[in-house]
Amino acid sequence: TQLLEQSPQFLSIQEGENLTVYCNSSSVFSSLQWYRQEPGEGPVLLVTVVTGGEVKKLKRLTFQFGDARKDSSLHITAAQPGDTGLYLCAGVTDYKLSFGAGTTVTVRA
Amino acid sequence: EAGVAQSPRYKIIEKRQSVAFWCNPISGHATLYWYQQILGQGPKLLIQFQNNGVVDDSQLPKDRFSAERLKGVDSTLKIQPAKLEDSAVYLCASSANSNSYEQYFGPGTRLTVT
Repeated sequence: TQLLEQSPQFLSIQEGENLTVYCNSSSVFSSLQWYRQEPGEGPVLLVTVVTGGEVKKLKRLTFQFGDARKDSSLHITAAQPGDTGLYLCAGVTDYKLSFGAGTTVTVRA
Repeated sequence: EAGVAQSPRYKIIEKRQSVAFWCNPISGHATLYWYQQILGQGPKLLIQFQNNGVVDDSQLPKDRFSAERLKGVDSTLKIQPAKLEDSAVYLCASSANSNSYEQYFGPGTRLTVT
């Protein structure tokens, strides 16, 4: 059983569209991380959010940590084919990671 | 800087056989992790080492899985005997120390048990 629920499970959009993926839990985490994993590779850390209500922007990616530190969202503006991949959220407690099952994002050219 | 290295990249075995995976972490990283990622799921921590000592192996199925990091650098994970449900990608990750937020993952070993 995954501690973190991610939705949607799959997302397919056209290049240039926006998308949002969600990560929800009933547990409180000290921080939350987002990773992207491409086929045949390990997850790569995108961001760590630490403070409840925190918003971080990395170019076209916007990450938000819920006020209660139980949920998070990732928004991609003007998606590109290079954004295709599996997006994983991970709750951090005592520096240990609990991963969600991931959202598979496909951006069509 | 070289990343986390893992070998082999792929392995196919029959159930009840044994298999071993190897991991070489980023140079100087004291903490090493082994994760199991079953298709359609996120990675699940199997074992965490700090230097050559085990910090957490609470989710390691110890009746069939074993791991070691004898010299505090590279590590091996062994499964003996393998079951069909062990089919997964086995990821190795390392971090500078056990209080670091940043873990760096290797490419993984894809194991298929038939």
